[in-house]
Amino acid sequence: AQSVTQPDIHITVSEGASLELRCNYSYGATPYLFWYVQSPGQGLQLLLKYFSGDTLVQGIKGFEAEFKRSQSSFNLRKPSVHWSDAAEYFCAVESGTASKLTFGTGTRLQVTL
Amino acid sequence: DAGVIQSPRHEVTEMGQEVTLRCKPISGHDYLFWYRQTMMRGLELLIYFNNNVPIDDSGMPEDRFSAKMPNASFSTLKIQPSEPRDSAVYFCASSLALTGDLNTEAFFGQGTRLTVV
Repeated sequence: AQSVTQPDIHITVSEGASLELRCNYSYGATPYLFWYVQSPGQGLQLLLKYFSGDTLVQGIKGFEAEFKRSQSSFNLRKPSVHWSDAAEYFCAVESGTASKLTFGTGTRLQVTL
Repeated sequence: DAGVIQSPRHEVTEMGQEVTLRCKPISGHDYLFWYRQTMMRGLELLIYFNNNVPIDDSGMPEDRFSAKMPNASFSTLKIQPSEPRDSAVYFCASSLALTGDLNTEAFFGQGTRLTVV
């Protein structure tokens, strides 16, 4: 069965600093990978997704992620964080069946001014 | 489109009572998913439907939970009887097609926060 690990429960960065959120997956085949963001009291919004092709994926709000098969990783990055990026971020892998997603436990991002 | 609509946003109920959560998916979407989010277990898929038919309910925790989709625009998740450990945020999501289509993604509602006391 597929699984997703987000090793960092909570990260604090200063506004304007760079950000990298880690995600490792376990899946037997070529994975479909996603990053979602959840603002307080809100649902999940898709930031970006990887299916195939270019391993560097661009998403919304200035985020990008790089798929590294050798490391089973799909880390999320942003060169300069804004205070509005404070939220919880979820990495997910799709099993190959519809949009049936397996989520990581999430990383809560705090941004200091 | 208004997106995936869930109701109620918040529900507080007493242990033993029946609880019904509602979801209206995005019009035209073929797939509907129910997820549960807790501190302990994170986001878990409970069940999903394709064209109103339940496809995989292996995530439903026990027989107290049931889900229906009587038509393409409405789904319910029912807990009877409810227990304090059912307290969680329940999300509904819908998607247009299989994820192999690059133009599709799962759209989430804002969730229903359930508290069972």
